[in-house]
Amino acid sequence: DVKVTQSSRYLVKRTGEKVFLECVQDMDHENMFWYRQDPGLGLRLIYFSYDVKMKEKGDIPEGYSVSREKKERFSLILESASTNQTSMYLCASSFGVLDRLNYGYTFGSGTRLTVV
Amino acid sequence: EDQVTQSPEALRLQEGESSSLNCSYTVSGLRGLFWYRQDPGKGPEFLFTLYSAGEEKEKERLKATLTKKESFLHITAPKPEDSATYLCAVQTRDSNYQLIWGAGTKLIIKP
Repeated sequence: DVKVTQSSRYLVKRTGEKVFLECVQDMDHENMFWYRQDPGLGLRLIYFSYDVKMKEKGDIPEGYSVSREKKERFSLILESASTNQTSMYLCASSFGVLDRLNYGYTFGSGTRLTVV
Repeated sequence: EDQVTQSPEALRLQEGESSSLNCSYTVSGLRGLFWYRQDPGKGPEFLFTLYSAGEEKEKERLKATLTKKESFLHITAPKPEDSATYLCAVQTRDSNYQLIWGAGTKLIIKP
């Protein structure tokens, strides 16, 4: 069964901490994405990557960074956690094709992060 | 501005009562429209992709259709296990894989 695995289901961190969210996929997908999901705001793209060591900003990159050292792993980093970063974080992956057409994501189960 | 709007926000149906969810979009150019299902506390699960007006796709009790302005997700004789939030998203002509998401429709099927 193909999978996108997020390392933690629930995390509680203190304001100012550096937080790492890890995501691993076993489908040999080129593309990986980080979203956050908040009630009433839907899914918002933070960063995505379509190749190892490549990254592009999404709609809300402020306060976040990412790392993709290996094809299967995409990490989201909260440089200094703040309470407004309390949210559900979702990782997704997809195949990459020359015309950059999206054929559908596979999502992980999500990490619910609470910053206190 | 590109926009995706889903309606209604929530829909309560009796088991067996068929209905439709709507996803309307205003985008500069559509490359694809996507439907996902999301259960509480889980990530969205891919259901369908539609690429051109007139296209239809089916899966069990679900059928998705696409016009030039909107998509419908028809649910025929739903069961309680169809209860979930259904998300619609579009890829525009100038995007690199990114999707614009609607806020979702929460569907509740009562036995």
